[in-house]
Amino acid sequence: ETGVTQTPRHLVMGMTNKKSLKCEQHLGHNAMYWYKQSAKKPLELMFVYSLEERVENNSVPSRFSPECPNSSHLFLHLHTLQPEDSALYLCASSQVQGETQYFGPGTRLLVL
Amino acid sequence: GESVGLHLPTLSVQEGDNSIINCAYSNSASDYFIWYKQESGKGPQFIIDIRSNMDKRQGQRVTVLLNKTVKHLSLQIAATQPGDSAVYFCADVGGATNKLIFGTGTLLAVQP
Repeated sequence: ETGVTQTPRHLVMGMTNKKSLKCEQHLGHNAMYWYKQSAKKPLELMFVYSLEERVENNSVPSRFSPECPNSSHLFLHLHTLQPEDSALYLCASSQVQGETQYFGPGTRLLVL
Repeated sequence: GESVGLHLPTLSVQEGDNSIINCAYSNSASDYFIWYKQESGKGPQFIIDIRSNMDKRQGQRVTVLLNKTVKHLSLQIAATQPGDSAVYFCADVGGATNKLIFGTGTLLAVQP
């Protein structure tokens, strides 16, 4: 185990639903990340938090809303998603930005 | 622009043979490189890293080689085992952004 947990592991939602993905890291790290992983595409960085402040938002649609209440927890709130948002959503953490990132197992999301 | 890419999308090797997975990067300012392994249904797992002041680093059954002249990185796995079957990603960090840039990955298939 990497010390980064994600729940749920699998999620099926309709386009009108609202759901949240949760990530927790037990490593004492100060930076946390959300990535989207689609088939045959490189990992896409979505959001970066450093010391609980959002430091990067890579042109992600507003239907994805991150929240970082403390340095150990990161959420991704989802609403009115599209079928093309179906993917594996990975959370990662690192001691500081630019250092090795440790990933959680991901949430496999299917939008119907 | 910044990019990290892999030469071979799929590599098939016999159990017991050595494997070599290659990666090219384009950012001459990159100073930190990481290899990740991603098994089916799991998040990427850190394997080994190397900084730009080194050209070789060894771990347990794995060796990473860095050639800064041609911006090339490789991962060597000795005595490949079935459990090594996975997708392998390289990533680099450098410049002012401190972002990890991932390639699309190479699928390593180990034949018994």
